[in-house]
Amino acid sequence: GQNIDQPTEMTATEGAIVQINCTYQTSGFNGLFWYQQHAGEAPTFLSYNVLDGLEEKGRFSSFLSRSKGYSYLLLKELQMKDSASYLCAVMDSNYQLIWGAGTKLIIKP
Amino acid sequence: GAVVSQHPSRVICKSGTSVKIECRSLDFQATTMFWYRQFPKQSLMLMATSNEGSKATYEQGVEKDKFLINHASLTLSTLTVTSAHPEDSSFYICSAKLGHPQETQYFGPGTRLLVL
Repeated sequence: GQNIDQPTEMTATEGAIVQINCTYQTSGFNGLFWYQQHAGEAPTFLSYNVLDGLEEKGRFSSFLSRSKGYSYLLLKELQMKDSASYLCAVMDSNYQLIWGAGTKLIIKP
Repeated sequence: GAVVSQHPSRVICKSGTSVKIECRSLDFQATTMFWYRQFPKQSLMLMATSNEGSKATYEQGVEKDKFLINHASLTLSTLTVTSAHPEDSSFYICSAKLGHPQETQYFGPGTRLLVL
């Protein structure tokens, strides 16, 4: 079966760095997406990785290792507004998005 | 980035009535649109995938006669919840993407449905 695993919840301190991991087992691979979802709102796109390596976009970076079925989202200089759920999603061989359950990130002052 | 709108943002209705939710891609033509449902503190659940001009493909366990989807044009898809019941109360979110299968999905702001 297809499976996406990510931690349910993480806590970090304002100004610090946090890494949210995602491991996956899917039928084929056509890219991995990270989305941010604030409570009561729809997801917003953060990043897309299809090749191995690190993609940096401001305070957020996303890493992919296809051989390990592993990705992480790195958030630097955390701000209170970064408190949200972070969703990992993998596009399988049929171009269907397989969604993780999301990681709730709590930022403390 | 691409903008997707949804209307209404919030709806309260009586049990047994039907509710229509619109999803529009505002600045691009979406060959494929998706409808999701999300219950509180749970992950997104894909309900159906719709391509312009063809019938929607429903996920297992989603009743196609209850959740009617119409993808009439490249910029508009509608979801109609027929004979809504309290258990249909949820957050309904649409997303859209351009033609290439690997394109990013862009989400609408969601519609919160409360059935009394």
